[in-house]
Amino acid sequence: DVKVTQSSRYLVKRTGEKVFLECVQDMDHENMFWYRQDPGLGLRLIYFSYDVKMKEKGDIPEGYSVSREKKERFSLILESASTNQTSMYLCASSFFRTGVDEQFFGPGTRLTVL
Amino acid sequence: TQLLEQSPQFLSIQEGENLTVYCNSSSVFSSLQWYRQEPGEGPVLLVTVVTGGEVKKLKRLTFQFGDARKDSSLHITAAQPGDTGLYLCYNFNKFYFGSGTKLNVKP
Repeated sequence: DVKVTQSSRYLVKRTGEKVFLECVQDMDHENMFWYRQDPGLGLRLIYFSYDVKMKEKGDIPEGYSVSREKKERFSLILESASTNQTSMYLCASSFFRTGVDEQFFGPGTRLTVL
Repeated sequence: TQLLEQSPQFLSIQEGENLTVYCNSSSVFSSLQWYRQEPGEGPVLLVTVVTGGEVKKLKRLTFQFGDARKDSSLHITAAQPGDTGLYLCYNFNKFYFGSGTKLNVKP
């Protein structure tokens, strides 16, 4: 069964802290994605990766960085968390680099920055 | 960024009613996906439409891709409480999701 797991369902951090969100997929997918979801704004792409050690900026990369050292793991890093980064963070993976493919999502991490 | 506008933003209906939600783009897109997200979960793919004018049926759900390839609709017949969720259209060529339609089906 297809599986994308995220390290935490809920996370509370303080302003200025460094935050790591981890995502693991067990499907040998090439592509991995990080989105944030805010009410009325849908899902917005932060970063994606189509191969190990490769990354591409999405629509809203400011304030975030990513790391992909192994094919199955994609980490999102908030170098210095701010209150406007309070959001739901969703990780996804997919198989094809181009063309029609399906994204498989994790359950999300609800991050609150105080 | 290719804007994907969804309407309505919210929809609350009784079980058994029919409904249609819409996804409109400011420009032509080559193909489109629809996802459904249930509370506390990530989105799950419902369908992919790739050809202008295409109609796809998934049980009580009917998906249509406009002839001009700038719009798509999702029609649900005889809605059930299990259809409750957030419906999202997605342009996977641009990795861009619409803002979503939040559907609540009351028993």
